[in-house]
Amino acid sequence: SAVISQKPSRDICQRGTSLTIQCQVDSQVTMMFWYRQQPGQSLTLIATANQGSEATYESGFVIDKFPISRPNLTFSTLTVSNMSPEDSSIYLCSVAGTTGANVLTFGAGSRLTVL
Amino acid sequence: GNSVTQMEGPVTLSEEAFLTINCTYTATGYPSLFWYVQYPGEGLQLLLKATKADDKGSNKGFEATYRKETTSFHLEKGSVQVSDSAVYFCALSDLRGSGGSNYKLTFGKGTLLTVNP
Repeated sequence: SAVISQKPSRDICQRGTSLTIQCQVDSQVTMMFWYRQQPGQSLTLIATANQGSEATYESGFVIDKFPISRPNLTFSTLTVSNMSPEDSSIYLCSVAGTTGANVLTFGAGSRLTVL
Repeated sequence: GNSVTQMEGPVTLSEEAFLTINCTYTATGYPSLFWYVQYPGEGLQLLLKATKADDKGSNKGFEATYRKETTSFHLEKGSVQVSDSAVYFCALSDLRGSGGSNYKLTFGKGTLLTVNP
């Protein structure tokens, strides 16, 4: 399966700032996804990152708050904009696997704390 | 909509004990079911899956059977090891979109398992 590297692994941010999370995959993949895991909660899909077109956002998530880039088939970024303490979460990048279209491989996640 | 409910942790067991982590789901269609595991400091990894009713997924001594009549997918292992200490997530897939071009996994909240020697 694909190997996913995420950066940063963790960060502490100030309210009102923005942070960009990078996701690098060791092979070309068609579908990349961004998930959020808030403290004590399950993982929630933020958006699907599409190469060559705009990301597809899930209900409750908007592009102005979570802009996503997907410049090629191995890389994507998620920006968390104008952060507030409620954005403190683990953000995970994932890709669809080759063993089954609905089997996902995940990065280790980026743990953000907003003060 | 779809939802997954799994037993809350943390679960603490002694080595060689029997493990059960309960998972039930609600889905409008016929989802595929998964257990993912997250070891400390690592990303989520697929542990096992089942794609239709009565299928049994198994891996590394873990098993789970897709029970449509009880909408359950309980994870079991007969003898846990210290190396099994991790967070376990139950999930279901909802294949959406034209030509299967869009996917969404619905996750439970995760269960932290600690196995003591």
